[in-house]
Amino acid sequence: DGGITQSPKYLFRKEGQNVTLSCEQNLNHDAMYWYRQDPGQGLRLIYYSQIVNDFQKGDIAEGYSVSREKKESFPLTVTSAQKNPTAFYLCASTFRGARTDTQYFGPGTRLTVL
Amino acid sequence: QQPVQSPQAVILREGEDAVINCSSSKALYSVHWYRQKHGEAPVFLMILLKGGEQKGHDKISASFNEKKQQSSLYLTASQLSYSGTYFCGTERNSGNTPLVFGKGTRLSVIA
Repeated sequence: DGGITQSPKYLFRKEGQNVTLSCEQNLNHDAMYWYRQDPGQGLRLIYYSQIVNDFQKGDIAEGYSVSREKKESFPLTVTSAQKNPTAFYLCASTFRGARTDTQYFGPGTRLTVL
Repeated sequence: QQPVQSPQAVILREGEDAVINCSSSKALYSVHWYRQKHGEAPVFLMILLKGGEQKGHDKISASFNEKKQQSSLYLTASQLSYSGTYFCGTERNSGNTPLVFGKGTRLSVIA
């Protein structure tokens, strides 16, 4: 079955540590996205990539980094520079990234900083 | 640029109807609607393109008024399974760019 997988589902991190969230898709989608979700805030865009080896900052990129070395993979690193990293992180993808394309979401990773 | 959704929350009894609105301060080309259950990923409901079209998904339908720059989601004869948070997403500009989502409307359907 095609879809988007994110791992792990739950992640705990100590303050000052970097952590990498995995996102893999087998839908052959070109564009991939990372969102952060906090209660009452909706979905806020962190980074997105429309082609391999290229990515752009979203609205809240500070303290995060990404890479897009393969079409299927778009990992997100939460660095120690991110002041308030505890949140629910969602990865998404679309076929071409066009405005008419359906955006599919992965199951999410809940990150808690202790 | 974030679209504004209203109401923020609504409680319904099974069988009642509800309307969720999504408004933007800028011209829109399309509006995307999603539903999210607690702790799960948002699930796509429908896309509406400019032209005033109306779409349906089971007993959930939506309209898009490009002149008013708003979209409305209609839930008729609500079921318990309709509970969740509904998000609208709109494009950021005229190019192929990611959606910007509203803050969501929390819908609770009770027996």
